[in-house]
Amino acid sequence: SQELEQSPQSLIVQEGKNLTINCTSSKTLYGLYWYKQKYGEGLIFLMMLQKGGEEKSHEKITAKLDEKKQQSSLHITASQPSHAGIYLCGADTADKLIFGTGTRLQVFP
Amino acid sequence: EAQVTQNPRYLITVTGKKLTVTCSQNMNHEYMSWYRQDPGLGLRQIYYSMNVEVTDKGDVPEGYKVSRKEKRNFPLILESPSPNQTSLYFCASRTGGGYGYTFGSGTRLTVV
Repeated sequence: SQELEQSPQSLIVQEGKNLTINCTSSKTLYGLYWYKQKYGEGLIFLMMLQKGGEEKSHEKITAKLDEKKQQSSLHITASQPSHAGIYLCGADTADKLIFGTGTRLQVFP
Repeated sequence: EAQVTQNPRYLITVTGKKLTVTCSQNMNHEYMSWYRQDPGLGLRQIYYSMNVEVTDKGDVPEGYKVSRKEKRNFPLILESPSPNQTSLYFCASRTGGGYGYTFGSGTRLTVV
């Protein structure tokens, strides 16, 4: 079965700093999703990647999928307190999304 | 607005008292699914449905039932809730082509 591993598990950064979260799959990714979740709340869709080498950006967040389609990264530029939360990657399979373990991001002033 | 609507958002109940969490989507999606989220265990699929009258077990189906009598609705039924079903539940839908999942806002269930 496919597994996703995220790193780091937890990240504490100062406001204004850049950061990167990684998501590694045990199998080839055919659809990779990034979500953000505030504690105990719903999942907010960020981006979806499908093609090897694909890169998408939205505001200060950029996500990339490597050429081999087994690893994705999420990069935040000039972090702000509003970026705080749990970031989840999800891999699309035939019948479900498989989620990574999540990365908890804290941004302090 | 395209969305998945779950109700209720919060529910506290007692062991053994049957309950239903509703899920409705307005995007004419074929696929719908239920997940539960628990600390340290992440998000795990409970049941899913590829279309009307077609349902199948996910990774953690024990203690749950679902039905898909119409395309827009996919209720989650707990016939006899137990404390280990205390969790945050999410409903999701997507098109048949697999492009894009939409999640509901979640239902926080506490069973005492």
